[in-house]
Amino acid sequence: DGGITQSPKYLFRKEGQNVTLSCEQNLNHDAMYWYRQDPGQGLRLIYYSQIVNDFQKGDIAEGYSVSREKKESFPLTVTSAQKNPTAFYLCASSMGWGQPQHFGDGTRLSIL
Amino acid sequence: AQSVTQPDIHITVSEGASLELRCNYSYGATPYLFWYVQSPGQGLQLLLKYFSGDTLVQGIKGFEAEFKRSQSSFNLRKPSVHWSDAAEYFCAVGVYRNEKLTFGTGTRLTIIP
Repeated sequence: DGGITQSPKYLFRKEGQNVTLSCEQNLNHDAMYWYRQDPGQGLRLIYYSQIVNDFQKGDIAEGYSVSREKKESFPLTVTSAQKNPTAFYLCASSMGWGQPQHFGDGTRLSIL
Repeated sequence: AQSVTQPDIHITVSEGASLELRCNYSYGATPYLFWYVQSPGQGLQLLLKYFSGDTLVQGIKGFEAEFKRSQSSFNLRKPSVHWSDAAEYFCAVGVYRNEKLTFGTGTRLTIIP
């Protein structure tokens, strides 16, 4: 079955440590997205990518980095510069504008 | 820039009762609109979408939504809710030739017996 796989489901970060969240899709979608979800704030866009080797900052990109070396993969790194990283992170993909985004099951990141 | 408002943070309805969740958007032209549902600890699942054409849209799980341009609204409805409908619901708006979506802050639905 086609879909989006996020791993791990739970992740813990120590102070000063970078961590990378994985997102893989086999839907052959061109566009991929990373969102952060906090209680009562809905989804906020971190980064998105429309094609391989290209990506754009979203509304809250500070403290995060991404890469898009393959169409199927869009990993997100939460750097030590992100001072409040505890949140639920969602990855999504779509065929393009006007099309719905399909979501993975999320990664919950916590601070030790 | 576009925006979307979900005025109700939390709604409680009895099982078997009808449901309407509100969504208002702000955008100068016709947007495209989505409703998603999220169970705790899960990703978002698409319920339905409006792009153009018929303003009454049917979705999965017995949900429907009506696009009303004059009211800038896209409210979600279900005639009879089931306990399994308890979840958080998000409205999202997109615009022409832009891959990004803007999400509302969500409405949490509780079902009581």
